[in-house]
Amino acid sequence: DAKTTQPPSMDCAEGRAANLPCNHSTISGNEYVYWYRQIHSQGPQYIIHGLKNNETNEMASLIITEDRKSSTLILPHATLRDTAVYYCIVRVTSGSRLTFGEGTQLTVNP
Amino acid sequence: DGGITQSPKYLFRKEGQNVTLSCEQNLNHDAMYWYRQDPGQGLRLIYYSQIVNDFQKGDIAEGYSVSREKKESFPLTVTSAQKNPTAFYLCASSIQGFSYNSPLHFGNGTRLTVT
Repeated sequence: DAKTTQPPSMDCAEGRAANLPCNHSTISGNEYVYWYRQIHSQGPQYIIHGLKNNETNEMASLIITEDRKSSTLILPHATLRDTAVYYCIVRVTSGSRLTFGEGTQLTVNP
Repeated sequence: DGGITQSPKYLFRKEGQNVTLSCEQNLNHDAMYWYRQDPGQGLRLIYYSQIVNDFQKGDIAEGYSVSREKKESFPLTVTSAQKNPTAFYLCASSIQGFSYNSPLHFGNGTRLTVT
């Protein structure tokens, strides 16, 4: 699986958009980008995933660059409950296993 | 509500004892997984099962054992051979196994403390 690089921490003001970056420069053509988040002492929660097109759901938007070497998770109006560790993971469609790195600690401030 | 249930939430054991962590899912998912998380670190895969009566070792299987006799259940036994068993254990499931594009759904974990 391609390795991902994320900043260890970020801050965001409540009500503003939170933009979380992820670099995956060694990504292969058949690898999906997944995002999960983990609130303290709970299990990770699936947010969104994509292959090459931008994706949007009720939780967030995922923007993948044209060369697929990086992506950005966007929480359009961050709330205090969005404070969590966010994991960016790349995963092939077959034969691979999800590997979670250390993620980005997002802190939403009032 | 459909989901994954891990029990208990907190578990305490004496060193040298085996302990079994429960994981049950009612999502009708084929694949189930066990991860371990240590403080301030990411998740590491212990064991996974893509179908009933079949399972494979993950990256850190030593000192652990599993069974998959029923689709909805995937218990993990932490044996006395596991040198550092104190950790947060997470169970997950997905519609299909690693061969397909399917998100993982996680339980809320069991925090095991061995003294």
